Amino acid sequence: GQSLEQPSEVTAVEGAIVQINCTYQTSGFYGLSWYQQHDGGAPTFLSYNALDGLEETGRFSSFLSRSDSYGYLLLQELQMKDSASYFCAVRGFQTGANNLFFGTGTRLTVIP
Amino acid sequence: DAMVIQNPRYQVTQFGKPVTLSCSQTLNHNVMYWYQQKSSQAPKLLFHYYDKDFNNEADTPDNFQSRRPNTSFCFLDIRSPGLGDAAMYLCATSLPKTGSDNEQFFGPGTRLTVL
Repeated sequence: GQSLEQPSEVTAVEGAIVQINCTYQTSGFYGLSWYQQHDGGAPTFLSYNALDGLEETGRFSSFLSRSDSYGYLLLQELQMKDSASYFCAVRGFQTGANNLFFGTGTRLTVIP
Repeated sequence: DAMVIQNPRYQVTQFGKPVTLSCSQTLNHNVMYWYQQKSSQAPKLLFHYYDKDFNNEADTPDNFQSRRPNTSFCFLDIRSPGLGDAAMYLCATSLPKTGSDNEQFFGPGTRLTVL
């Protein structure tokens, strides 16, 4: 089968840096995506890694190590509006090239 | 603006009474997905259409059906809703491109309540 593990909750201070880890298990692998979801809202795409290394998009960066089946999302200069759930999601041979299998999500709370 | 639209945003139905949720998109994407998301859980893929080709997930109950009459519209039919089907239903689209990230674009969701 396939599985994704993320911490269930993380709390961090406004202005700080936080890292949300994700380990995955899947048969075959295309890439790892990250989505943000505010309470009552729709998931929105943040980043995607198909190759090892760091991808940077503004305050958000995502890292992938395929050999370790591991990735993380790094949020810098945290703002109150970053309080949300963050899901890693994998594309693999089991899911099919077009589909995503989501992790259980990490609820980030940013405090003043 | 190009977008994914879901109607209604909130739907209340009675136990066993068929209900249809709708999704439309102006992105002209090939793939449309339906997800079920229960409180504090991950979105769970129910099925997807790649153009007209329907792909059902192995663990999607028979109670859930879908129709895609054209590129823009996709419907989720729940034939006999049970209390356990109360959830947020998310529609998403994507435009697969070789070597690309296959970003999925989500609609705002329909929150289904079953009485």
